[in-house]
Amino acid sequence: KNEVEQSPQNLTAQEGEFITINCSYSVGISALHWLQQHPGGGIVSLFMLSSGKKKHGRLIATINIQEKHSSLHITASHPRDSAVYICAVLYGGSQGNLIFGKGTKLSVKP
Amino acid sequence: DAGVIQSPRHEVTEMGQEVTLRCKPISGHNSLFWYRQTMMRGLELLIYFNNNVPIDDSGMPEDRFSAKMPNASFSTLKIQPSEPRDSAVYFCASRTTVGYGYTFGSGTRLTVV
Repeated sequence: KNEVEQSPQNLTAQEGEFITINCSYSVGISALHWLQQHPGGGIVSLFMLSSGKKKHGRLIATINIQEKHSSLHITASHPRDSAVYICAVLYGGSQGNLIFGKGTKLSVKP
Repeated sequence: DAGVIQSPRHEVTEMGQEVTLRCKPISGHNSLFWYRQTMMRGLELLIYFNNNVPIDDSGMPEDRFSAKMPNASFSTLKIQPSEPRDSAVYFCASRTTVGYGYTFGSGTRLTVV
């Protein structure tokens, strides 16, 4: 069993739709990251969470430490949001490193 | 700040050749990570350094892979000899030990033919 599970693996949406990507993990963590990777592109860190909720523009990330679950929401989705979204958990504190989910491939159609 | 700088962006080499990937972390970041990304396995940690010292190299596939960090501003990942199954995108990332925020480089796309 993977230590970080994401769902769905693939997601197709129409422009303007509200999107949710889920991440569940099984290890104790120091923080959770949501990363974005455009086709052929580099990796950009969208959020780092250790509790609660963060918002940046149309993106919202939440985490429930007790349930070991995080969600990434995109409101009013746009074709430029099409990318792979990767959940990664940091374990081991200041000496630790990331465990990655397999990613969710999002395609937003105009 | 220019971010984490990796070179080259693309590398095509023949099987058996030596390949060297380079990374310059963000100034002040004292942890550096090398990751490999493939379609089959996603992102995997190869090795990471804290304060230039290798902490965990358990992800290095085999003796053909080696990594060094001679100083706080430079690291290399070397593959010798390279094989077609090494074809992947290799990412370098750095962070401080305070705050846990990561910055990734743009990656090096390696193709071994």
